[in-house]
Amino acid sequence: QKEVEQNSGPLSVPEGAIASLNCTYSDRGSQSFFWYRQYSGKSPELIMFIYSNGDKEDGRFTAQLNKASQYVSLLIRDSQPSDSATYLCAVNPPTDSWGKLQFGAGTQVVVTP
Amino acid sequence: SQTIHQWPATLVQPVGSPLSLECTVEGTSNPNLYWYRQAAGRGLQLLFYSVGIGQISSEVPQNLSASRPQDRQFILSSKKLLLSDSGFYLCAWSQWRDRAYEQYFGPGTRLTVT
Repeated sequence: QKEVEQNSGPLSVPEGAIASLNCTYSDRGSQSFFWYRQYSGKSPELIMFIYSNGDKEDGRFTAQLNKASQYVSLLIRDSQPSDSATYLCAVNPPTDSWGKLQFGAGTQVVVTP
Repeated sequence: SQTIHQWPATLVQPVGSPLSLECTVEGTSNPNLYWYRQAAGRGLQLLFYSVGIGQISSEVPQNLSASRPQDRQFILSSKKLLLSDSGFYLCAWSQWRDRAYEQYFGPGTRLTVT
């Protein structure tokens, strides 16, 4: 079982709609959870992170965390063609004290005009 | 503000040749530093991390090595490259902020071993 799992996609989303991305993790007790956006051929960019159960909003992005279900999600509201990218979920495992992250393989999002 | 640099941006090297990739961070002190590799169509694999000058931890046994000669400099090396070393190499830095280590990536080096 992979430590961080994501649906590889592609997730096709009409422009203006909400994109919903999901991520599950295996290490119960993981403390912090990150979402990165990676455009083709570029390095990952940090979108946001969350560490408490519930929702955290930043502009058009909302991260949702459910530690009991070991599940973290990212919602992108009012999706734009510029949101077309691969979205990486990353988890800081409970055994780590130095910020190491375990990454999922990423979900490709395609926003269609 | 903090900035992370990596060079070169692209590199084509023959099998068996040496490798040296460099990463520097500006605008912060005593950051944690990381080297990742991303193979084509794959996720990020953590190779090395460092919490201070001269302190290197290896995550995956391989023919690569890392060094941190200065606080904000991180170097990835190999004595003899293998075809399987091809990939996108990413350096990252992090510092503790608001109950988590926020990690930021450099622009990356795309390495092709021929």
